[in-house]
Amino acid sequence: AQKITQTQPGMFVQEKEAVTLDCTYDTSDPSYGLFWYKQPSSGEMIFLIYQGSYDQQNATEGRYSLNFQKARKSANLVISASQLGDSAMYFCAMREDQNPGGYNKLIFGAGTRLAVHP
Amino acid sequence: GAVVSQHPSRVICKSGTSVKIECRSLDFQATTMFWYRQFPKQSLMLMATSNEGSKATYEQGVEKDKFLINHASLTLSTLTVTSAHPEDSSFYICSARDSREGTDTQYFGPGTRLTVL
Repeated sequence: AQKITQTQPGMFVQEKEAVTLDCTYDTSDPSYGLFWYKQPSSGEMIFLIYQGSYDQQNATEGRYSLNFQKARKSANLVISASQLGDSAMYFCAMREDQNPGGYNKLIFGAGTRLAVHP
Repeated sequence: GAVVSQHPSRVICKSGTSVKIECRSLDFQATTMFWYRQFPKQSLMLMATSNEGSKATYEQGVEKDKFLINHASLTLSTLTVTSAHPEDSSFYICSARDSREGTDTQYFGPGTRLTVL
């Protein structure tokens, strides 16, 4: 079974509007972390936002917010006031803190390509 | 966020040669670094976990004799692709785990695009 699922291969949004990128996860580990990364065409992976499984409030970082619904096992990324520079691939990832493989590996979703139109 | 550098950013080599890629954490010490491979339009595939002062842990299906990893210091890990072949052409990207108090995030280098002729 997929541990991280991103069901939207591609999304587009008008500049200045908000967009939500979906992410669902599957784990039996009580302690885990959820991440979103942005990958522009240059290839670098840019860390955007983090949500811990025990965090009571949704994480926010500037125009990025994470809509964490623990019971539904979803961690959607909301980008407000989209900008042309937001066009990129977006990856959701999970770290299982009690993963027997140790070392806090990240498990990535397939990604969503976001295109921001003027 | 923390800064991770990767060098070279792009390399072209002949088949049969070896290529070394360096990954450095510039403003923090990283006991754990990770090496990923990414094919076009696909997600990142974890190749191995690099631990300072000990042997790397390789993911299933990754040849440890072909992809040599050395993590000699708290700020440097290297990946050497030995006897490279065209099928090794890919985008290789490293990350470093920042486990300072209050954070436990992987920060990524800018990646290395390897082309084997």
